[in-house]
Amino acid sequence: GAVVSQHPSWVICKSGTSVKIECRSLDFQATTMFWYRQFPKQSLMLMATSNEGSKATYEQGVEKDKFLINHASLTLSTLTVTSAHPEDSSFYICSASPASGSIADEQFFGPGTRLTVL
Amino acid sequence: GNSVTQMEGPVTLSEEAFLTINCTYTATGYPSLFWYVQYPGEGLQLLLKATKADDKGSNKGFEATYRKETTSFHLEKGSVQVSDSAVYFCALSDRGTGGFKTIFGAGTRLFVKA
Repeated sequence: GAVVSQHPSWVICKSGTSVKIECRSLDFQATTMFWYRQFPKQSLMLMATSNEGSKATYEQGVEKDKFLINHASLTLSTLTVTSAHPEDSSFYICSASPASGSIADEQFFGPGTRLTVL
Repeated sequence: GNSVTQMEGPVTLSEEAFLTINCTYTATGYPSLFWYVQYPGEGLQLLLKATKADDKGSNKGFEATYRKETTSFHLEKGSVQVSDSAVYFCALSDRGTGGFKTIFGAGTRLFVKA
């Protein structure tokens, strides 16, 4: 089946530094990728939707200058948390879809990245 | 706006017990409904789905029926196994002006004891 990987799975960084998280579709081309954030015991919250080769669409309340998303190829999207602060500590999950505008059952999820900012 | 509410966990059952995880939703349009499962250390996987009222989704012994009149999509399994221990997420997907969006419930952790 379709596999999506994320790297790193766990990262600890100092406040003020930037962290990059990679999301890769290993056996299919992902036209659309989604980035979610999950707080403990809470829902996944959609942060942004990115289509290969174009700018990401951010959800209301998500700072695009803080959470930089790049989707430069059909198999890789990156999320960079710039000038991270402790409140950015969370579990970040990506998903990938093989076709633009597809219904949600064609999203394939990565295992997530736990970010801890000290 | 759209929302999904599912029962809080954890739910602890003995093997072969009957499982129900309640899920209700609020939506302005006609969403598709999903159950996802997350096993320890893995990503979310689609378990089953239903795209219109009265549809029943089923997979691996799990099933859920799209009930428009009660805005519910409860997950059931007749006899759970230890291997079913995981976190289960109810979700809805609806298409808006910016494309489709998926909204997830908070997740319900299931522990099945041997």
